[in-house]
Amino acid sequence: RKEVEQDPGPFNVPEGATVAFNCTYSNSASQSFFWYRQDCRKEPKLLMSVYSSGNEDGRFTAQLNRASQYISLLIRDSKLSDSATYLCVVRSGGSYIPTFGRGTSLIVHP
Amino acid sequence: GAGVSQSPSNKVTEKGKDVELRCDPISGHTALYWYRQSLGQGLEFLIYFQGNSAPDKSGLPSDRFSAERTGGSVSTLTIQRTQQEDSAVYLCASSSATASYEQYFGPGTRLTVT
Repeated sequence: RKEVEQDPGPFNVPEGATVAFNCTYSNSASQSFFWYRQDCRKEPKLLMSVYSSGNEDGRFTAQLNRASQYISLLIRDSKLSDSATYLCVVRSGGSYIPTFGRGTSLIVHP
Repeated sequence: GAGVSQSPSNKVTEKGKDVELRCDPISGHTALYWYRQSLGQGLEFLIYFQGNSAPDKSGLPSDRFSAERTGGSVSTLTIQRTQQEDSAVYLCASSSATASYEQYFGPGTRLTVT
């Protein structure tokens, strides 16, 4: 089993839709969780950290489920500019090297 | 403030030549990472520097790859005797250990080996 797994998609949704991505991780000692977005031919950019209690930033909501070892990202009222690949990143306790998922591709169409 | 910078942005080289890629991290960030990303693929970890500690080289694919970090700031990734399979985007990221290890990436160097 891969350390961090994501559905590659693509998720093809209309503007205004709500879309959710899940990411599962295998190491129960994981401590830090993040979502990054990567636009085509660009570098990854930090979207948000994921906290144990869940957190929200505008249209984006991230949640952590330690029991089932997954994190989720919910995007409400999708915009065309949300089209990108969303990378799940997990860091295990005792390691300074995070593990990146392969990413989930989102395409928002008019 | 200034973000992570990398140079060159693009590099085309002939097979067998050596190349040097440079990364200038965010000022004050003690952690520096090198990754590479092949077309349509995920990020592959190469090497990690933290302050003055010995680097974690566990991700380097072969002994043709090496990296150094001078004065705890600028880093150089060197690839000797380049091969076509080395063609990829090489990404550098820096992080402050006091900020939950959030990483900030540079724009990358696109390396093409012909």
